[in-house]
Amino acid sequence: AQSVSQHNHHVILSEAASLELGCNYSYGGTVNLFWYVQYPGQHLQLLLKYFSGDPLVKGIKGFEAEFIKSKFSFNLRKPSVQWSDTAEYFCAVNAGAAGNKLTFGGGTRVLVKP
Amino acid sequence: GAGVSQSPSNKVTEKGKDVELRCDPISGHTALYWYRQSLGQGLEFLIYFQGNSAPDKSGLPSDRFSAERTGGSVSTLTIQRTQQEDSAVYLCASSSTPGQGYTGELFFGEGSRLTVL
Repeated sequence: AQSVSQHNHHVILSEAASLELGCNYSYGGTVNLFWYVQYPGQHLQLLLKYFSGDPLVKGIKGFEAEFIKSKFSFNLRKPSVQWSDTAEYFCAVNAGAAGNKLTFGGGTRVLVKP
Repeated sequence: GAGVSQSPSNKVTEKGKDVELRCDPISGHTALYWYRQSLGQGLEFLIYFQGNSAPDKSGLPSDRFSAERTGGSVSTLTIQRTQQEDSAVYLCASSSTPGQGYTGELFFGEGSRLTVL
């Protein structure tokens, strides 16, 4: 069965600091990869996704993620965070055999101090 | 509707009671999912409906949990004889299907927060 690991449960940063959230998955076949974000009091929404092609994916709000197949990783990055990036971030994988079912990681709570 | 709609938004119940949670997906979306979000536990897959196919129930934690989807649209998640460990936010999501403008994105509702006393 596929699984997704997010190694950081909580991250605290100051504004303008750089952010990198780790995500590793376990599945040997073709995968689709996603990052979702949940802002305080809001529903989950898509930040970015990777299906194929350029392994460096750019999403909304200045976020990007890099798919490294050899490391089974899909880390999320942002060069300079803002207070409004305070949220919980979830990595998710959709393996081909599982159809559209997404398996989520445990989430990382990010707090950006003004 | 414009988005995924869930009701009730909050439900407080006593241990042992049955509860029903409702999800109305985005019109035209053939896939519907239920997830459970517990404090510090991330999102736990419960069940997945795709069109007229048999649902994937592999994530249901016990036989107290069941879900149905009527007419390929609205879904109801039922929890019988609720226990305190059932307390969580139950999230519903929907998506399109490959070949129908599929983007791979799941659209989530606001969730139903269940508290079992």
